[in-house]
Amino acid sequence: AQTVTQSQPEMSVQEAETVTLSCTYDTSENNYYLFWYKQPPSRQMILVIRQEAYKQQNATENRFSVNFQKAAKSFSLKISDSQLGDTAMYFCASNYGGSQGNLIFGKGTKLSVKP
Amino acid sequence: EPEVTQTPSHQVTQMGQEVILRCVPISNHLYFYWYRQILGQKVEFLVSFYNNEISEKSEIFDDQFSVERPDGSNFTLKIRSTKLEDSAMYFCASGTMDKTQYFGPGTRLLVL
Repeated sequence: AQTVTQSQPEMSVQEAETVTLSCTYDTSENNYYLFWYKQPPSRQMILVIRQEAYKQQNATENRFSVNFQKAAKSFSLKISDSQLGDTAMYFCASNYGGSQGNLIFGKGTKLSVKP
Repeated sequence: EPEVTQTPSHQVTQMGQEVILRCVPISNHLYFYWYRQILGQKVEFLVSFYNNEISEKSEIFDDQFSVERPDGSNFTLKIRSTKLEDSAMYFCASGTMDKTQYFGPGTRLLVL
């Protein structure tokens, strides 16, 4: 079965510092997409960043960037200049091609940004 | 910016009752999904829908569940006879060919 693993249940970081959240996945597919979603206390799922597996260049979105290591099946999220509003659950997810590519989620990492 | 909307935001129901959760996907999206998240657990896929029919469904999506796109804009999830274990947050998502899925704010269902 295809899986997504987040090995850090909880992390904390000081405001303005940088934090990296880990994610590994397992797939035999060649064509897939990887995502990070943020879930604040309101529980809404907000897309943070996406990465296409066929692209070698790491995706970036403002303060958010990924380190995509395809051979290692690793997809970590780096948050720079952490802000209090970054406090949330962060879920790594992947879809594995197919007709629509339903998302498979990791268990999440609870990030707390401390003032 | 267009977004997925869901109603109601909260629903409380008695065990055995039917519930209908409603979603309005982003207007130019073609793929629609339902996911659920039991409190404290990860998000789980329920069903995907494309071209007016179910594309894929998970083991969770048994005969008690159904989906419908009745009028070209709404996308509904019906649970025919709710069970206590159906209590969860239900997320609707929509997407395009690029595989990115945008989630609605969720409906928090509590079955008593």
